Amino acid sequence: KAGVTQTPRYLIKTRGQQVTLSCSPISGHRSVSWYQQTPGQGLQFLFEYFSETQRNKGNFPGRFSGRQFSNSRSEMNVSTLELGDSALYLCASSSRLAGGITGELFFGEGSRLTVL
Amino acid sequence: ILNVEQSPQSLHVQEGDSTNFTCSFPSSNFYALHWYRWETAKSPEALFVMTLNGDEKKKGRISATLNTKEGYSYLYIKGSQPEDSATYLCASLNNNDMRFGAGTRLTVKP
Repeated sequence: KAGVTQTPRYLIKTRGQQVTLSCSPISGHRSVSWYQQTPGQGLQFLFEYFSETQRNKGNFPGRFSGRQFSNSRSEMNVSTLELGDSALYLCASSSRLAGGITGELFFGEGSRLTVL
Repeated sequence: ILNVEQSPQSLHVQEGDSTNFTCSFPSSNFYALHWYRWETAKSPEALFVMTLNGDEKKKGRISATLNTKEGYSYLYIKGSQPEDSATYLCASLNNNDMRFGAGTRLTVKP
């Protein structure tokens, strides 16, 4: 069973540009969540999608957006990039436990974004 | 705002030592508590997902307990080995909103 795939793995952008990151979940997983990790910080929750609907959103500005397609693949977009957006962006897919509770997360290897 | 706190921030132990870390989380609207192991240059990997008060789970030398009434979970590693060196993250799912702690960085010296 293929794992979670994130592309691109590394990218360099300049301030003011926008970026789109892609995440392909494990086959059969309908839930995809995104996290940002910066030096010295834990994983900060960005948003979660389930069956093409955003279920939860973290405390990030509107420049951060996402979407999920009918095949459960997800993209996140960051517009008007700032230096502080330099980070590792992790995507995770999961199945649902009884009661609709999010099951264990399976993480991709991440997309490392550097903003110059 | 949900606060998930982990302690200690970092820990250095000798090979063969047993160790434990703490995760405290909001007990209101609690759904589940996750533990992950994150090795350098790899992706976080799930260790346990616990939902019920009093839950105890074990995987090899690693075990975890859960107290949902007081909002804490312990992770234990028995007989630490150098390959256990990693950051251990906990995440609390409250109202279907998942929040991670900052992690405990464990270094096991041979």
